[in-house]
Amino acid sequence: EIVMTQSPATLSVSPGERATLSCRASQSVSSYLAWYQQKPGQAPRLLIYGASTRATGIPARFSGSGSGTEFTLTISSLQSEDFAVYYCQHYNSWPLTFGPGTKVDIK
Amino acid sequence: EVQLVESGGGLVQPGGSLRLSCAASGFTFSSYWMTWVRQAPGKGLEWVANINQDGSGKYYVDSVKGRFTISRDNAKNSLYLQMNSLRAEDMAVYYCARDAGGGGWFDPWGQGTLVTVSS
Repeated sequence: EIVMTQSPATLSVSPGERATLSCRASQSVSSYLAWYQQKPGQAPRLLIYGASTRATGIPARFSGSGSGTEFTLTISSLQSEDFAVYYCQHYNSWPLTFGPGTKVDIK
Repeated sequence: EVQLVESGGGLVQPGGSLRLSCAASGFTFSSYWMTWVRQAPGKGLEWVANINQDGSGKYYVDSVKGRFTISRDNAKNSLYLQMNSLRAEDMAVYYCARDAGGGGWFDPWGQGTLVTVSS
């Protein structure tokens, strides 16, 4: 099983600032990596797949990068609606696994 | 509009059974893999099971193998999760989602249905 880790666990950011979230896989997942956003009481929403492809309707301030074992989600200028928990997920092999999440909160 | 609506959650005793359903609309259901993902209260996301387009391929997380069965009825645009021998650790919100990548990424997700396992 591929274990996904995320850092930091919590990221405190001021509106308008840049946020950089990290995701690491215990072995290479190539570019088979997705990112999701989840707000309290809501279902997750797909942001990025293929490590760097934005999903339909996702604003350009969200960008993904990386391959192999190291990945980054960058939010270029945080808006109020971006404060949420972010999860990475690999789909390189079974079982599919998620990281534990990074909570982005208001500084 | 693509829509997924789960139902069937509720309170069940340890060792009991429950069948979750997910009604799909707004897309050609039979063309997509589908998935179940769960989230225990206050915890992160855990992938549970996937099924391919015609139901001939099914994949499960180890912790539910032999207890849970994923299935689908393409004529009814519906996805199911039969859960047997339920344990306290199975208590979670269960989401169905379209697997847009064929064993890949999930988009969109339903609103979830809560399964409570307690005596």
